[in-house]
Amino acid sequence: DIVLTQSPASLAVSLGQRATISCRASESVEYYGTSLMQWYQQKPGQPPKLLIYAASNVESGVPARFSGSGSGTDFSLNIHPVEEDDIAMYFCQQSRKVPLTFGAGTKLELK
Amino acid sequence: EVKLVESGGGLVQPGGSLRLSCATSGFTFTDYYMSWVRQPPGKALEWLGFIRNKANGYTTEYSASVKGRFTISRDNSQSILYLQMNTLRAEDSATYYCARDRGQGGMDYWGQGTSVTVSS
Repeated sequence: DIVLTQSPASLAVSLGQRATISCRASESVEYYGTSLMQWYQQKPGQPPKLLIYAASNVESGVPARFSGSGSGTDFSLNIHPVEEDDIAMYFCQQSRKVPLTFGAGTKLELK
Repeated sequence: EVKLVESGGGLVQPGGSLRLSCATSGFTFTDYYMSWVRQPPGKALEWLGFIRNKANGYTTEYSASVKGRFTISRDNSQSILYLQMNTLRAEDSATYYCARDRGQGGMDYWGQGTSVTVSS
């Protein structure tokens, strides 16, 4: 199975600052030149919401302050500038191989 | 408008069975893979399996933790996804979500989830 290691487990940021969350895969998630890595946001009591797909594509309706980057095994989610509405859990997920797997999550908090 | 609504959760004894349903609307059901994902309280998301779309023969894949105990199926005439869960264990207690799965494009729509508690 492809193991996804997210860091940090929790991150405290000030409003207006940049938040960077990392996700490292135990093997490459490249498939014919596309990185099959997604990022989701989840708020308490709600289902996950897709933010980024294929590493760097922003899902329709997601604010432009969210961006994704990376390739191979190393990926990042950036949020800038952080707004109060962004306080949530964030998960990475790979779709390169079955079983699909998720990272353990990063809790974004306000400093 | 795309909608996914899960139902069928509840309290079940260890060793028991439960069938979850996910009623969908607002999109061409047969065009999409459909996944089941669960989340124990305060824990991470766990993918359970998916059923592929019409173009890929509606075949299924499962995680090792549920393979042989859980079965995913779909009623394409009514746009409903199912998860049959057998031989339930305490560690299966979680909120269960269905999600529309674009394959390489991620899971773009999710239901609100249904809670399953396995306890005597």
